[in-house]
Amino acid sequence: AQSVTQLGSHVSVSEGALVLLRCNYSSSVPPYLFWYVQYPNQGLQLLLKYTTGATLVKGINGFEAEFKKSETSFHLTKPSAHMSDAAEYFCAVSDTSGTYKYIFGTGTRLKVLA
Amino acid sequence: GAVVSQHPSWVICKSGTSVKIECRSLDFQATTMFWYRQFPKQSLMLMATSNEGSKATYEQGVEKDKFLINHASLTLSTLTVTSAHPEDSSFYICSVVTGHNQPQHFGDGTRLSIL
Repeated sequence: AQSVTQLGSHVSVSEGALVLLRCNYSSSVPPYLFWYVQYPNQGLQLLLKYTTGATLVKGINGFEAEFKKSETSFHLTKPSAHMSDAAEYFCAVSDTSGTYKYIFGTGTRLKVLA
Repeated sequence: GAVVSQHPSWVICKSGTSVKIECRSLDFQATTMFWYRQFPKQSLMLMATSNEGSKATYEQGVEKDKFLINHASLTLSTLTVTSAHPEDSSFYICSVVTGHNQPQHFGDGTRLSIL
């Protein structure tokens, strides 16, 4: 069965520092992978996705992620954190059975320190 | 990507009443939508798959008679929480599927508080 693990339920970084949010998945076949951000009392906003092709994916707001099949990882990075990046981040894997369902990670709350 | 409108964004009602939440796909005809529930500081829990023109498919442990889903058109799915009780208080979010290997697009959620 597929699963998604987000290491670190809380991550704190200083403003201007590198952001690294970890996501590992388990799947018997290469899945489709997504990162979403959620601000308080709002829905989820897509940051970026990986389906096929280039393994380094660039998204909105300066975020990017690299799909590493050998490590079954899809970590999210941003070179320089901004105060507005403080939010909850979710990694998701699409169900490869064709149901369009997602398997979500447990989420990582990012705190940006001034 | 698809624009998804969810209404209401916030509702408070008395125990025992029924509450309807709407999820509209504004610029895409969606045959499939999803309904999620999110508890504070937790991830999203899939409740059901809403299929246009047919019955919804519920996840294990979700009471279909409690959470009624109707997907009567390609742009609208509704979730009705029947005879709501305080334990039904939660944040409910819908999403729209736009195609194979495409991301889901989410509504802004509905905060439901049952007194």
